[in-house]
Amino acid sequence: DGGITQSPKYLFRKEGQNVTLSCEQNLNHDAMYWYRQDPGQGLRLIYYSQIVNDFQKGDIAEGYSVSREKKESFPLTVTSAQKNPTAFYLCASSMVGTSYEQYFGPGTRLTVT
Amino acid sequence: EDQVTQSPEALRLQEGESSSLNCSYTVSGLRGLFWYRQDPGKGPEFLFTLYSAGEEKEKERLKATLTKKESFLHITAPKPEDSATYLCAPSITGTASKLTFGTGTRLQVTL
Repeated sequence: DGGITQSPKYLFRKEGQNVTLSCEQNLNHDAMYWYRQDPGQGLRLIYYSQIVNDFQKGDIAEGYSVSREKKESFPLTVTSAQKNPTAFYLCASSMVGTSYEQYFGPGTRLTVT
Repeated sequence: EDQVTQSPEALRLQEGESSSLNCSYTVSGLRGLFWYRQDPGKGPEFLFTLYSAGEEKEKERLKATLTKKESFLHITAPKPEDSATYLCAPSITGTASKLTFGTGTRLQVTL
């Protein structure tokens, strides 16, 4: 059963702590993405990667870090430098080339207090 | 600056009452335009990709169309299960596979 998994579904952290969100895909997609969604705003791109061991900053990368050591995995770390980390985080993946629609995981809701 | 505007922000329809959602975009160059459906608390679900003006795609009660400056998602005889937020996202030439999302139209279909 192919798809994208994100864990956990809900995550609670204290301010000042780093936290890592997991994203795994078994679709054999080359590209992976992290978005943040806040109420009343569109999805905003945090980081993306089109190939293993390479990634690029999106529109709102400050306070976040990623790694892409395996094709299937693209973890996102929300650092203590992120000023407003509470949000719904979505991971997506796609092929690279002529057919590049992105498929999304179920999301992780992060609450920082 | 690339911009995407979806209207209306929210739409309430009775079952069977057809309507259209609008996605207007101002981008430097359009590579493709994507439509997604998102249910509350879940990830977006891919619906359609449109690549060129005049193109149309259909899926059940939904039909997406594309012009040079906007895209429409037509909903024919909607049912309550069509209630969701519908997102459009242009892909801009020269930006690899990045998508720029609009804020969405929240559709509610009542009996």
